[in-house]
Amino acid sequence: GENVEQHPSTLSVQEGDSAVIKCTYSDSASNYFPWYKQELGKGPQLIIDIRSNVGEKKDQRIAVTLNKTAKHFSLHITETQPEDSAVYFCAVPRGYSSASKIIFGSGTRLSIRP
Amino acid sequence: DSGVTQTPKHLITATGQRVTLRCSPRSGDLSVYWYQQSLDQGLQFLIQYYNGEERAKGNILERFSAQQFPDLHSELNLSSLELGDSALYFCASSVGLAGAGRDTQYFGPGTRLTVL
Repeated sequence: GENVEQHPSTLSVQEGDSAVIKCTYSDSASNYFPWYKQELGKGPQLIIDIRSNVGEKKDQRIAVTLNKTAKHFSLHITETQPEDSAVYFCAVPRGYSSASKIIFGSGTRLSIRP
Repeated sequence: DSGVTQTPKHLITATGQRVTLRCSPRSGDLSVYWYQQSLDQGLQFLIQYYNGEERAKGNILERFSAQQFPDLHSELNLSSLELGDSALYFCASSVGLAGAGRDTQYFGPGTRLTVL
């Protein structure tokens, strides 16, 4: 079945620096890759996603890059701010429509040091 | 606010008891998903319903069951509760079958279950 590995499990960066989180997957049929942010006491919220027909997508300080050949995709956060502190999850849906479900990575706890 | 509502927000109960968690999806969403998140753990998929029918099952225990009603709200029933069932339980919804990559999942705020 689908396997999703997310690294690192924890990440601490100085405010203003960049943070990168990487996920690798095994199912080459996967074609949609969302990233979720979970703040303390809240449910995960979609922050950015990418489809397999593009290699990079940006939204202000957040970007996602996809390497389909190597089967990995990464979340990049630039100019980090205190409000970026949260747990981030990557996700990989199964590539077929029936009995579909999304496999989540194990999460990365990002801490921004003032 | 994602538009997905879950009740109750907190639930404290004893081992051996049974509880029901409720989820109302976003308006127009047909799929409902249930996830379990234990302390410092990732999201474990439990079960998915689409327009009233069960569509996918994850690592859901036999003591747990769910259903989706005609008005599309869903309930997750947890019985014979054990200490290890203490966790956050999230509901998510999507327009269609999010696993196919066509639709985004929107998560509710969760229900924190504590079994004493």
